[in-house]
Amino acid sequence: EAQVTQNPRYLITVTGKKLTVTCSQNMNHEYMSWYRQDPGLGLRQIYYSMNVEVTDKGDVPEGYKVSRKEKRNFPLILESPSPNQTSLYFCASHELGRGTVYGYTFGSGTRLTVV
Amino acid sequence: GNSVTQMEGPVTLSEEAFLTINCTYTATGYPSLFWYVQYPGEGLQLLLKATKADDKGSNKGFEATYRKETTSFHLEKGSVQVSDSAVYFCALSLKNTGNQFYFGTGTSLTVIP
Repeated sequence: EAQVTQNPRYLITVTGKKLTVTCSQNMNHEYMSWYRQDPGLGLRQIYYSMNVEVTDKGDVPEGYKVSRKEKRNFPLILESPSPNQTSLYFCASHELGRGTVYGYTFGSGTRLTVV
Repeated sequence: GNSVTQMEGPVTLSEEAFLTINCTYTATGYPSLFWYVQYPGEGLQLLLKATKADDKGSNKGFEATYRKETTSFHLEKGSVQVSDSAVYFCALSLKNTGNQFYFGTGTSLTVIP
């Protein structure tokens, strides 16, 4: 089954403790992206990647890092989480050049709480 | 710039009522338009799409028509069910922005029996 897999689904952590949210897709998509969803603000893009070793900032990149060492994986790293990063996070992917035709495939989400 | 504006929620309807969720857009090019649905506790799923003017996307009884003259892509369903309760996102994508997507803020729909 074609899918984007995120882990963990739920995470509670303390301020300043580094964490990584993993994202993996099995569709050989070049384009991968991270979003955060907050009430009243909709989806905001954090980072995106158009291919291996190619990443770029989205609208709200502060406090986050990403890497793209392999085509299928795109982990989101919070080096020093803060309470304002409490949010619902989604990873998504699409085939580069075909996103306007087929749209994104989204993961199931990671609900992060930073206390 | 590029942006999507959709009607504020939440929307509450009785079962079998008619649904309209408004969506308008601004785009610097010629976008593709999408509606995504997010059921409680789940990720976003593609509901329907339209890639050119006057195209009608449809799925699960939902429809939306790409209106270039009014820059709109309103979502409609003739008779909603309790199982349609979800958050609905309108989105656009442009090839000339490297396939970037722009999402509306989402509209929460609750259907009561």
